[in-house]
Parts: sequence; C-alpha cells; structure tokens
Amino acid sequence: SQQGEEDPQALSIQEGENATMNCSYKTSINNLQWYRQNSGRGLVHLILIRSNEREKHSGRLRVTLDTSKKSSSLLITASRAADTASYFCATSLGFQKLVFGTGTRLLVSP
Amino acid sequence: ETGVTQSPTHLIKTRGQQVTLRCSSQSGHNTVSWYQQALGQGPQFIFQYYREEENGRGNFPPRFSGLQFPNYSSELNVNALELDDSALYLCASSLGWRGNEQYFGPGTRLTVT
Repeated sequence: SQQGEEDPQALSIQEGENATMNCSYKTSINNLQWYRQNSGRGLVHLILIRSNEREKHSGRLRVTLDTSKKSSSLLITASRAADTASYFCATSLGFQKLVFGTGTRLLVSP
Repeated sequence: ETGVTQSPTHLIKTRGQQVTLRCSSQSGHNTVSWYQQALGQGPQFIFQYYREEENGRGNFPPRFSGLQFPNYSSELNVNALELDDSALYLCASSLGWRGNEQYFGPGTRLTVT
C-alpha cells in the first residue's frame, strides 16, 4: 500500500511559472525524499530532507517538511519544459525501505 | 545518469513462467533494493539486500526471491508469473541502509501475457 498521497495528482503550468506539489504521509519518518520520473523510466533523486530539518534548497528546488502535520511540499521555481515529469515523495523509517506516494504528474508547456 | 544498470530493458513472458532480472549497483554501494511499479502507481518495496543478506521485505509472496553477489550486483527472481506481475521493476543502490539517498536504475519493463 502507498504511504500517502501527493496533491495535486496532475498539474499543468506554463514555462517560467512556479510549480508546487504537496505530499502527506501517515507514519513517523527518519527522512523524506523527492524523486522525479520521466515517462516510466528510472527515478532521479532530487533532494532529501531529514526529520529534524524544516526547509532545504537545491538549485530551483525548495522543499519544506512539517512533521507535526505529516506533510511536505516541493516547489520548483521558474519551471522549464524539461521539468515535465512525474514527481514522487518517499519516506523511510529505520532500515532503508522507501515508501512512495502516488505521484504528481507535472506538465510544463513552452 | 546514475551508475546503476539493469537488464534486460524489456521482457515478455507467459503466465506460469519464471523470470530473472539483473541489477548492477553503483560503484562503492553495498545495498540494493528492488521495487515494483504498476502503471500509474508509485513504486512498491519488494526487498532489500545488504552485504549479500536480505535486510527487509515488503508485502510480496515468496515466489519473489532475490540474491546479492559479492560484487553487490543483484538478481530478482519471480516464479509462477501472474498477469498482475506486469510492471516496471526498479532496483536502487545505496551506501549502507541508514537513511541515505537511493540511486535508481532505468528499470525493466515486464509484460506477462
């Protein structure tokens, strides 16, 4: 079963706009990771945020984590057509089993 | 591109057959995890191998089995294939099993007819 949900399920924006996607999860975690997947291929690791961190940045990516609400958000600023992909959050606790959400499909139009 | 490779890329099998999928981990990584991703879903954890020992298993039946070799490459074996086994199978490697990033291969697309 999935750990939680990403919201929205699908998002369509124009190049240059910001994209925000949210992730909710159900159990305690050690860390939360965001991955990108292009067209049913392998997942690309984007960013990891630990349970004692609240915000993290990497290039055009900003991730927040609110453990009291069991939620995280991923912000992609100044989006590009190449950002079109599915985005997944994944949580882990203890040994390194990743529990993935259901994903957000992002479409960035030129 | 990660240093994780998987073979084959695509595979078509018939119900009841057996299949072996292979994964080479990124250099220096001693942990391999396998995931099954059905169409339109997030990946589901199958099992993990750390230094050639199974280090955790998800909710998959015993006909899903695995192996890790001394060079840390890994195999996933599925016996008695069912139609619902049709999915993208992903392996991921990492250094250790304590909360580090996992690096995924491109996956093997298995179709069971």
